[in-house]
Amino acid sequence: NAGVMQNPRHLVRRRGQEARLRCSPMKGHSHVYWYRQLPEEGLKFMVYLQKENIIDESGMPKERFSAEFPKEGPSILRIQQVVRGDSAAYFCASHRGDYNEQFFGPGTRLTVL
Amino acid sequence: AQSVTQLGSHVSVSEGALVLLRCNYSSSVPPYLFWYVQYPNQGLQLLLKYTTGATLVKGINGFEAEFKKSETSFHLTKPSAHMSDAAEYFCAVSGGSGGYQKVTFGTGTKLQVIP
Repeated sequence: NAGVMQNPRHLVRRRGQEARLRCSPMKGHSHVYWYRQLPEEGLKFMVYLQKENIIDESGMPKERFSAEFPKEGPSILRIQQVVRGDSAAYFCASHRGDYNEQFFGPGTRLTVL
Repeated sequence: AQSVTQLGSHVSVSEGALVLLRCNYSSSVPPYLFWYVQYPNQGLQLLLKYTTGATLVKGINGFEAEFKKSETSFHLTKPSAHMSDAAEYFCAVSGGSGGYQKVTFGTGTKLQVIP
């Protein structure tokens, strides 16, 4: 039973390029969260999605960031026109809807040059 | 609204000594509480959780935590530290069951174990 999968594990982009981060939740999980982690700052909630729906995007910057979780395929976090401040580790977590226990992926470490 | 405060961003203990990582929370509803561990360059792994019932919760790797409502605390302890316990630990709170409840994480405590 595979856990939460994220790819790529490491992503390097130049300023102005687009970054696409993918997350495949655990089998049977239809709830996905995205978090951003900066050194010494812990995890910051970005967005919560269920299949085909964004439930809560209160933590996501209004500009350049978007997320989706289509009926088929992984959840995608998309960052357009990346800037150096977007460099961080981005974690995806999934759960099946009970007790809010979230299972985390290994993260994608984005570096913007 | 809910929040988590982890006291001490860095904690050092000697191998074999007691580990105590502090977590205080605030929540407007009965909380669910979690401790996660993160090893370098990895995702978070659940150590233990409190939902309802017994207030002393045992988790993996010999860790346990006690929910104290009167103190709004959920401190993590382990009687004897092992070198492999060196990692970053995150306390988290959610607003309990019933639909979507956002999980809020603390800023983390890095545990160093000294041989």
